[in-house]
Amino acid sequence: DGGITQSPKYLFRKEGQNVTLSCEQNLNHDAMYWYRQDPGQGLRLIYYSQIVNDFQKGDIAEGYSVSREKKESFPLTVTSAQKNPTAFYLCATTRPGGADGELFFGEGSRLTVL
Amino acid sequence: AQRVTQPEKLLSVFKGAPVELKCNYSYSGSPELFWYVQYSRQRLQLLLRHISRESIKGFTADLNKGETSFHLKKPFAQEEDSAMYYCALRRADKLIFGTGTRLQVFP
Repeated sequence: DGGITQSPKYLFRKEGQNVTLSCEQNLNHDAMYWYRQDPGQGLRLIYYSQIVNDFQKGDIAEGYSVSREKKESFPLTVTSAQKNPTAFYLCATTRPGGADGELFFGEGSRLTVL
Repeated sequence: AQRVTQPEKLLSVFKGAPVELKCNYSYSGSPELFWYVQYSRQRLQLLLRHISRESIKGFTADLNKGETSFHLKKPFAQEEDSAMYYCALRRADKLIFGTGTRLQVFP
């Protein structure tokens, strides 16, 4: 149903390699977020961006990097510095203004480090 | 520090039984709280927010500032309620999520 598209859905990586997860949205939403979802730990915020060319670290930014060159796109790079990268990654957006606080989520990307 | 606690990892009930998923928070200001739900093979989505004081799919949640709680309740559980439920607290322009509770409703 479009909206927020994450790719790839599944990704395998060898230790020491960087990998980039894509998040694209056609909702015209301003703010975009990356969360990591681990069993028993819920969702933890990695990075977020309120506007183009600006982004802030979340609670677990170490070992990750992002860019926001276009409103529609917010790719996440998992670097080799991330000690435990195997996880399910969720991208989310909020409406312009974001006053109601509702997040809209993508389907997620599952990264497995071999 | 702002925090959301969901003490139960798993809650199992039979169809027709009442359900209460617990959520406690710590926040120094006036909290904004949400419940999100993730059904099998579906995206995580908003179930309800405390500001709206609404009932969605028979679920309600009342903010209790004295007990710093925002428990999710439903009087009669249905099999289709089986899902992962997350409580979330708004902190400035971000949401902080709890660890989640898996609800299993048996026939």
